[in-house]
Amino acid sequence: AQSVTQPDIHITVSEGASLELRCNYSYGATPYLFWYVQSPGQGLQLLLKYFSGDTLVQGIKGFEAEFKRSQSSFNLRKPSVHWSDAAEYFCAVVPTSGTYKYIFGTGTRLKVLA
Amino acid sequence: IAGITQAPTSQILAAGRHMTLRCTQDMRHNAMYWYRQDLGLGLRLIHYSNTAGTTGKGEVPDGYSVSRANTDDFPLTLASAVPSQTSVYFCATRPPQKVSYNSPLHFGNGTRLTVT
Repeated sequence: AQSVTQPDIHITVSEGASLELRCNYSYGATPYLFWYVQSPGQGLQLLLKYFSGDTLVQGIKGFEAEFKRSQSSFNLRKPSVHWSDAAEYFCAVVPTSGTYKYIFGTGTRLKVLA
Repeated sequence: IAGITQAPTSQILAAGRHMTLRCTQDMRHNAMYWYRQDLGLGLRLIHYSNTAGTTGKGEVPDGYSVSRANTDDFPLTLASAVPSQTSVYFCATRPPQKVSYNSPLHFGNGTRLTVT
């Protein structure tokens, strides 16, 4: 069955430090991949997406993600975290065949220390 | 302002009561979705609609029903609420594109429902 794993439930980093949030998926082929961010009391907002081509994709707010086929991973990175990045982050996949159903990971909650 | 409107923002409901969560969009997106978000479980799909007049079951449809009479509205109904339906509910839409299944989702701000 298709699945998405975000192994880190909580991550705490200091402001200005680098960040990497992990995402691994289970699917027979390369799916379409997304990262979303959710601020408290808000819905989810798209950060970036990968469909094909260059495996390093740039998103909004200075985020980037790298697709690694050999590791079935799509990790999210940011070189220098800002206090406003504190939020919950969700990785999602869409299988490239079949139904239009997104599969979300369980999320990683990011805390930023001043 | 274009977007997705969910109502109510929050609700406390007695078990056994009937409740409809409203979702309205003004972006003319064809596909609409209802998710519930629970701690440690992420977002799980309840029901979806690829276009007006059609609906489908998601991962956790039991206890919920939906209708899609027009493009803009996609209400979610709990016929007889139970405490396990305490959750945050998100409505989402997907814009039509040539290869539509890789389109990103747009989310409303959610409805926090507590069933006592």
